[in-house]
Amino acid sequence: KAGVTQTPRYLIKTRGQQVTLSCSPISGHRSVSWYQQTPGQGLQFLFEYFSETQRNKGNFPGRFSGRQFSNSRSEMNVSTLELGDSALYLCASSRPSRPETQYFGPGTRLLVL
Amino acid sequence: DQQVKQNSPSLSVQEGRISILNCDYTNSMFDYFLWYKKYPAEGPTFLISISSIKDKNEDGRFTVFLNKSAKHLSLHIVPSQPGDSAVYFCAAPANAGGTSYGKLTFGQGTILTVHP
Repeated sequence: KAGVTQTPRYLIKTRGQQVTLSCSPISGHRSVSWYQQTPGQGLQFLFEYFSETQRNKGNFPGRFSGRQFSNSRSEMNVSTLELGDSALYLCASSRPSRPETQYFGPGTRLLVL
Repeated sequence: DQQVKQNSPSLSVQEGRISILNCDYTNSMFDYFLWYKKYPAEGPTFLISISSIKDKNEDGRFTVFLNKSAKHLSLHIVPSQPGDSAVYFCAAPANAGGTSYGKLTFGQGTILTVHP
């Protein structure tokens, strides 16, 4: 079974731009969660989607948004990029029978200049 | 509020010896715990988990122990191998009351270095 895939793997943007990251979960997994990892803050939860609905959201500003499609693929968008948004963005999926165990993709490394 | 804490930023162990990674938590509602291993520039890889109804779970060289009264868990790796060198995170689903879907709360991580 293929793992969680994320595209692109690396991205360089400038302040003020917006960015969209994509995540394809493991087949059969319907929950997709997004995390931001930075050296100072560690792994921080952004939001979670299930059946195209956002069920949970972390403490991030409204510039961070996401969505999920009917095939469970998910995207996250960051608008008006700031230098502090430079981070590794991780997507994770879980299966309905064991929602507590999340499987992560390789991440998208975003650098904001 | 750091609900999951890994107080040792790093650990250095000789190949073949035991590695013990520790994790403390403050939220008594946590009832399931996971350990992840992470290499640089990669996503975390799920290693092993434990439910609060158990005090030990074993999978090959990896064993997790849970002490609920002390709100403490540990990951034992025996024997340690150089390929185990990575950052290890403990995590707990923040689903107390069923209101925190899909959210894992992570510790800060411990860098394990296994020397040949």
